[in-house]
Amino acid sequence: DIVMTQSPDSLAVSLGERATINCKSSQSVLYTPNNQNYLAWYQQKPGQPPKPLIYWASTRESGVPDRFSGSGSGTDFTLTISSLQAEDVAIYYCQQYYSALPYTFGQGTKLEI
Amino acid sequence: QVQLQESGPGLVKPSETLSLTCTISGDSISTYYWSWVRQPPGQGLEWIAYIYYNGNTNYNPSLKSRVTISVDTSKNQISLRLSSVTAADTAIYYCARAGPVATGYFTFWGQGILVTVSS
Repeated sequence: DIVMTQSPDSLAVSLGERATINCKSSQSVLYTPNNQNYLAWYQQKPGQPPKPLIYWASTRESGVPDRFSGSGSGTDFTLTISSLQAEDVAIYYCQQYYSALPYTFGQGTKLEI
Repeated sequence: QVQLQESGPGLVKPSETLSLTCTISGDSISTYYWSWVRQPPGQGLEWIAYIYYNGNTNYNPSLKSRVTISVDTSKNQISLRLSSVTAADTAIYYCARAGPVATGYFTFWGQGILVTVSS
């Protein structure tokens, strides 16, 4: 399995400040033939299913505010929220879809104000 | 708009088989890959399996011996069966659509169904 490890487990950030969540994979999720990182980020609020935010490590889903950005390559990735809004309070998960044996998620990072 | 609705018993006895159905509306089941993902209460996400409309499947090796995923294109449904359940299988079970980006990137999710394993 590709193990995904997020840091920190929880994070408190003031409104309007930057939030940074890290994700590390136990092996590279960069597929060199197409130079794509098979890494996604999801946001989950209480009582709701995960919502996709970012795929290919840095491509925002349609409708996702541009304060959300993803970066990184290979084994180290970052989700950044440039200016935290109240509605961003949630748990964030990274996920690799490089290998289906199996697809794996990070343990989650709880973001609070 | 795509909608995924999970259904099935909310309570299953230990050692029995958990059976769930996901009904898909607003989309063709023949276009994408469909997965089951579960989340124990207060815990993280675990991918269980995926299926394509032609019957192509892939399973999480940790669950493979107990899991069957199937598709009914006439009803636009996918199903999950998990045998020999224990309390560790208590979770919210989500149906999710993958694609078109990739078979493992989940773009639409159902609301989930809580299944409790208890006698």
